[in-house]
Amino acid sequence: KNEVEQSPQNLTAQEGEFITINCSYSVGISALHWLQQHPGGGIVSLFMLSSGKKKHGRLIATINIQEKHSSLHITASHPRDSAVYICAVRSSRTDKLIFGTGTRLQVFP
Amino acid sequence: NAGVTQTPKFQVLKTGQSMTLQCAQDMNHNSMYWYRQDPGMGLRLIYYSASEGTTDKGEVPNGYNVSRLNKREFSLRLESAAPSQTSVYFCASEGLAGFYQETQYFGPGTRLLVL
Repeated sequence: KNEVEQSPQNLTAQEGEFITINCSYSVGISALHWLQQHPGGGIVSLFMLSSGKKKHGRLIATINIQEKHSSLHITASHPRDSAVYICAVRSSRTDKLIFGTGTRLQVFP
Repeated sequence: NAGVTQTPKFQVLKTGQSMTLQCAQDMNHNSMYWYRQDPGMGLRLIYYSASEGTTDKGEVPNGYNVSRLNKREFSLRLESAAPSQTSVYFCASEGLAGFYQETQYFGPGTRLLVL
């Protein structure tokens, strides 16, 4: 079983819909990251969380440390949000990042 | 600032050929990483360097060598390429993104095809 699991693997939405991507992990962590990978391949960091909730524009990330679960929400989705969203946790044992396999999101006009 | 740069962007090799992937960062970060990304799998750590002059193996180091030439540059070498090394390779550097928390900054990736 992977140490970081994301769901769903694939997601399609109509423009304007509210999107939720989930991430569960089974190891002790010091931080959780949400990353975005566009079709061109580049990877950028969206959020880094160790507790609670963060918001940036239409993106909201939450983490529940007790339940070992995080969610990434996109409000009022837009075709430019189409990308692969990757959850990664920093292991408190090794201090290295462990990556999920990603959620591919396609938003249609 | 260019951030993290990688060369080449794309490379085709024949089995047994060697090549070096170059990575450089201009953010004065101590830690640098090499990952590979394969379909259906998360990014996997090949090698990392916590500081200039030090390197350590990650999860999948077999078939690779690295060199931390200076604080800016961290190269990945394939001595004898194999088809199993067909992948997209990402270099990353790590630095503070807030008080006490570090984040990684990724290069644009190198697509490698080994025939």
